[in-house]
Amino acid sequence: NAGVTQTPKFQVLKTGQSMTLQCAQDMNHNSMYWYRQDPGMGLRLIYYSASEGTTDKGEVPNGYNVSRLNKREFSLRLESAAPSQTSVYFCATRGPAAFFGQGTRLTVV
Amino acid sequence: DQQVKQNSPSLSVQEGRISILNCDYTNSMFDYFLWYKKYPAEGPTFLISISSIKDKNEDGRFTVFLNKSAKHLSLHIVPSQPGDSAVYFCAASGNFGNEKLTFGTGTRLTIIP
Repeated sequence: NAGVTQTPKFQVLKTGQSMTLQCAQDMNHNSMYWYRQDPGMGLRLIYYSASEGTTDKGEVPNGYNVSRLNKREFSLRLESAAPSQTSVYFCATRGPAAFFGQGTRLTVV
Repeated sequence: DQQVKQNSPSLSVQEGRISILNCDYTNSMFDYFLWYKKYPAEGPTFLISISSIKDKNEDGRFTVFLNKSAKHLSLHIVPSQPGDSAVYFCAASGNFGNEKLTFGTGTRLTIIP
């Protein structure tokens, strides 16, 4: 029982490159979330999905897209990475407490 | 506009004493509150929650107090242990936990042996 699994754990991108962060949960929760954590900023919500087939913007959605592929999977895509997107990204699922993945440390150079 | 605020970026407490972490919120629609603990290179882990219909919730060494009129909550850890050294985030949600979570900026707690 893995809970929430994120891949990859680390990634270095060049400015302008694209990538997709994957998230899968086995907790049978409806809602899933993507957060980013930056020093002094806490956890800021990028996008969330209240249920399969729905997605909504959070506080900081610019430069990102998401796909809720099915109940288990919620992916985050950076179409054209920028240095400002250097951060640690966390996927979470709720029911009602949120449970987080281990994070993806992304560096954009 | 920071709707959930943790005004102390850091706190140091002697081992065995009480640690008190504070959190303030501005959105009166928030009615469900949670505390998370985060170690470096790990995801946040859920500690304890409280609904606005209560003013206190206890789980072992952890107690959360909610003062709705002041829009303030606090986490008490008694007694504090070295393994409690971590960053603590408070979070809030509306609709009794059915809406998205809004997090504070975190407080780094250091327990001094």
